[in-house]
Amino acid sequence: DAMVIQNPRYQVTQFGKPVTLSCSQTLNHNVMYWYQQKSSQAPKLLFHYYDKDFNNEADTPDNFQSRRPNTSFCFLDIRSPGLGDAAMYLCATSTGTLLGRLGGYNEQFFGPGTRLTVL
Amino acid sequence: TQLLEQSPQFLSIQEGENLTVYCNSSSVFSSLQWYRQEPGEGPVLLVTVVTGGEVKKLKRLTFQFGDARKDSSLHITAAQTGDTGLYLCAGAPNDYKLSFGAGTTVTVRA
Repeated sequence: DAMVIQNPRYQVTQFGKPVTLSCSQTLNHNVMYWYQQKSSQAPKLLFHYYDKDFNNEADTPDNFQSRRPNTSFCFLDIRSPGLGDAAMYLCATSTGTLLGRLGGYNEQFFGPGTRLTVL
Repeated sequence: TQLLEQSPQFLSIQEGENLTVYCNSSSVFSSLQWYRQEPGEGPVLLVTVVTGGEVKKLKRLTFQFGDARKDSSLHITAAQTGDTGLYLCAGAPNDYKLSFGAGTTVTVRA
């Protein structure tokens, strides 16, 4: 089955210790997104890749970086995690095709998330 | 300022009761999506509504898109404990980035 996979599902790190979260997709979608979600809140978009083009949200801290080495994989790097970075991190994909942008609809497909704990 | 306003924020009901969640905006959307997210999991797409006035049914869930494509509602009939979760409406006003509502946490008590 085509899907979005995130590893690990649970990640514990220490304050200031770099951490990398992984996302892979078998949907062959052009766009991959990273969201941060805190308890009972809506997901907050950090950045996204449209193919190899990186698009950062204006309010995403510099502490958060991303890499997309190929269509299937995307990584979220947190350079120096703080206590406030503890959250669920969600990866999502969409086709991002012109059909979707021109009055069509943009459906995003989410992975199961990685729960990050910062000690 | 949230582009999509969801209400209520929290809803707690007894199993067998009905509930409605609302999603409103002053902007026009070409489509709106509804997601359900269970604790510890990612959001799962329930439905996409595209046409103004459209009604879609998914078993006990009924989704409506407003005539002006600015609002949507989700109605659950005879709620079950498995309906518990965070319900999110989302839309892409002008490109492939979704704008989410703040979410409605639904708790169905046995």
